[in-house]
Amino acid sequence: AQSVTQPDIHITVSEGASLELRCNYSYGATPYLFWYVQSPGQGLQLLLKYFSGDTLVQGIKGFEAEFKRSQSSFNLRKPSVHWSDAAEYFCAVGAMNRDDKIIFGKGTRLHILP
Amino acid sequence: EAGVVQSPRYKIIEKKQPVAFWCNPISGHNTLYWYLQNLGQGPELLIRYENEEAVDDSQLPKDRFSAERLKGVDSTLKIQPAELGDSAVYLCASSREGTGGRNEQFFGPGTRLTVL
Repeated sequence: AQSVTQPDIHITVSEGASLELRCNYSYGATPYLFWYVQSPGQGLQLLLKYFSGDTLVQGIKGFEAEFKRSQSSFNLRKPSVHWSDAAEYFCAVGAMNRDDKIIFGKGTRLHILP
Repeated sequence: EAGVVQSPRYKIIEKKQPVAFWCNPISGHNTLYWYLQNLGQGPELLIRYENEEAVDDSQLPKDRFSAERLKGVDSTLKIQPAELGDSAVYLCASSREGTGGRNEQFFGPGTRLTVL
């Protein structure tokens, strides 16, 4: 079964600084990988996803993520954060099997300093 | 297009009382999911429907939780009786079809349940 680890519970960065959120997964085959963002009181919104092909994936709101098979990682990056990026970020892994579910990490809460 | 609608947004009940949550998925989405999200955790799947069939309810505590999706559109999740440990956010999501973990799931805003 697949699993996801987000090592950082909280991350604080200054507005305008670069951001990298870490995600490591465990899965026996090529996974489907997702990053979701959750603002307070809101549901989850998909930022980007990786299924196959180019390992550098572009998403919405200026985010990107890179799939590194050798490291079992799918880290999320943004070159310059805005105060509105403060939220909870969830990495998730899915599988090709029709019956397999998406497994979410525990999330990383991003705080932005003015 | 309208997003996933959930109601109520907030619910406070006393333990041992029943409670129900309602979800209306995005039009045309055949697959509907109910997730449980505890504080500081990611969502955990409770049940997945494809049309009106519950195809994965392995994580649903069947002694107190039940769900239905009549006519393959709206869904209701019920807890009876509620326990203190059920305090959490209950998220509903939908996707076009349940072809494994590939399809993007669209989430509703959730129902925050507090059991006193």
